[in-house]
Amino acid sequence: DTEVTQTPKHLVMGMTNKKSLKCEQHMGHRAMYWYKQKAKKPPELMFVYSYEKLSINESVPSRFSPECPNSSLLNLHLHALQPEDSALYLCASSLWTSGNTGELFFGEGSRLTVL
Amino acid sequence: GESVGLHLPTLSVQEGDNSIINCAYSNSASDYFIWYKQESGKGPQFIIDIRSNMDKRQGQRVTVLLNKTVKHLSLQIAATQPGDSAVYFCAENHHASGGSYIPTFGRGTSLIVHP
Repeated sequence: DTEVTQTPKHLVMGMTNKKSLKCEQHMGHRAMYWYKQKAKKPPELMFVYSYEKLSINESVPSRFSPECPNSSLLNLHLHALQPEDSALYLCASSLWTSGNTGELFFGEGSRLTVL
Repeated sequence: GESVGLHLPTLSVQEGDNSIINCAYSNSASDYFIWYKQESGKGPQFIIDIRSNMDKRQGQRVTVLLNKTVKHLSLQIAATQPGDSAVYFCAENHHASGGSYIPTFGRGTSLIVHP
């Protein structure tokens, strides 16, 4: 079983809705990531938090707003999304220490459909 | 990085055969490479990694080969089993500030194992 837990597993929302995706890990990892994955495509990096601070934002539109309340939790707030934002949103965590290979531990993802 | 194709390359094998999945990478400065396996409805899972100063690494039933001259990576799976059916991604790791790495995923190969 994965040690990164994502909720909800499925989410359907309209373009005017506000919703949030949640991610939790209890492995003591200090880096957490959001990836977006479209069907039959590789995961694309959106955001990275290290030590609860946003360290990488891959030019993601502001309708996606990440939040890291503490080292175990990561949220992705969604507002005014477009149908093309429909995708699998993957959360991952890693150790983030010097010498670490960067192995990511992924959750099972939240399948988002925007109507 | 690699351009993402319109469709996923597919490798079909018979149970018990050996499988070879290939990956080309673009950044000659990448110093870690990781293979991930993604089963249907799940997040990617770590299989094996290799440092750029190595050309071969073996795990249980899997071997990764690295050819830096032509920037090519391969994953060999011995005695392929139906449970190996999944999409396989190679990821090249870029060094990030603070000491860890950020993986960028290649386009993936779908492995189908026929019983």
